[in-house]
Amino acid sequence: EIVLTQSPGTLSLSPGERATLSCRASQSVSSSYLAWYQQKPGQAPRLLIYGASSRATGIPDRFSGSGSGTDFTLTISRLEPEDFGVYYCQQYGSSPYTFGQGTKLEIK
Amino acid sequence: QITLKESGPTLVKPTQTLTLTCTFSGFSLSTSGVGVGWIRQPPGKALEWLALIYWDDDKRYSPSLKSRLTITKDTSKNQVVLTMTNMDPVDTATYYCAHTEPPYYYDSSGPFDYWGQGTLVTVSS
Repeated sequence: EIVLTQSPGTLSLSPGERATLSCRASQSVSSSYLAWYQQKPGQAPRLLIYGASSRATGIPDRFSGSGSGTDFTLTISRLEPEDFGVYYCQQYGSSPYTFGQGTKLEIK
Repeated sequence: QITLKESGPTLVKPTQTLTLTCTFSGFSLSTSGVGVGWIRQPPGKALEWLALIYWDDDKRYSPSLKSRLTITKDTSKNQVVLTMTNMDPVDTATYYCAHTEPPYYYDSSGPFDYWGQGTLVTVSS
């Protein structure tokens, strides 16, 4: 089973700043089958990035994903107020398709 | 337009079996590559992947819960059912179902691109 470790646990930033979230896998993620989701309180997760770097439909271009193998990054270039919430990575290359423990992005 | 909705009991007693139904529209579970998965989230905690069933009846389970889980599909009713036996208070969580499909023809799997709203299940006597 691939274990995903996200860092930091909490990130405190102001609107307009750049956010960098990390997801590290315990073994290589095949074919870069790595996704990022955003979740706000009381809501289901929303797909942001798939294939490590492809934006899902309707996702603004301030969100970008990068990485391969065991190290992946989600970058939000200029934070908007609506970007605050919890972010999860998930690998879907090897069953079970595990999630990371999440990074909480909060307003500073 | 793809939609999914979970249904089932909101309260179950310890040792009972939980049965959840995911009713979906906007896609067919007989289409090549398509799958429906279940994910849960205890209050204030992270997402946990539980199980996934594909169009060809291929089934995948979380190893830690495999002995307690069964996932089935009814293509004619557009439903996927998850059963979890021997429920315990630690199984209290919001349970989500979600759609997956490979983004490109050459992909072998895909992310969860559409999610249900989730249903909170509480395990308590």
